[in-house]
Amino acid sequence: DSGVTQTPKHLITATGQRVTLRCSPRSGDLSVYWYQQSLDQGLQFLIQYYNGEERAKGNILERFSAQQFPDLHSELNLSSLELGDSALYFCASSKRAGAVYNEQFFGPGTRLTVL
Amino acid sequence: QQQVKQSPQSLIVQKGGISIINCAYENTAFDYFPWYQQFPGKGPALLIAIRPDVSEKKEGRFTISFNKSAKQFSLHIMDSQPGDSATYFCAASNTGKLIFGQGTTLQVKP
Repeated sequence: DSGVTQTPKHLITATGQRVTLRCSPRSGDLSVYWYQQSLDQGLQFLIQYYNGEERAKGNILERFSAQQFPDLHSELNLSSLELGDSALYFCASSKRAGAVYNEQFFGPGTRLTVL
Repeated sequence: QQQVKQSPQSLIVQKGGISIINCAYENTAFDYFPWYQQFPGKGPALLIAIRPDVSEKKEGRFTISFNKSAKQFSLHIMDSQPGDSATYFCAASNTGKLIFGQGTTLQVKP
């Protein structure tokens, strides 16, 4: 158990809908990262927050947004869902923001299915 | 420049054998190279990591070999066990975000 929690575990929804994925980082970690894992794209970085502020952006669609709250939990919002958004969404957390041996610990993921 | 290329895509090894997975990168600014292990239905778990100023790092049966001039690094699993059967991802980072290889599915036959 990495100490990172994600809810829900599974989510099934329809095209055009909006969903919210939630992540609680490990105790003491200030940085939260969101990754998408799909068969064709592999594991891809979406966005990073550090202590409530956006730190880095990856290949995140404009339909997707995220935020980190004062208690450091984070939410990833996916809107106008398309079939291609079906994937595993992982949250990871780390103590610091940058690299330099900045170990990231991953949660169990949320499996999103868009029908 | 941001890609990390991983090979092989799949690997079958006999119990007790050595499993070797290779990765190559382009961006010389990368300064952190972790390996993750992922079991079906689980999140990736950090296995071992290395910085480019070190040529080798060993933790138990797992060893990372790093060749900075060739921009390559590899994971060696010694005395491979059926419990090691999983998908392995190499990754690289220089800004915090991880750039992952495509993954290697390892099957260790008893």
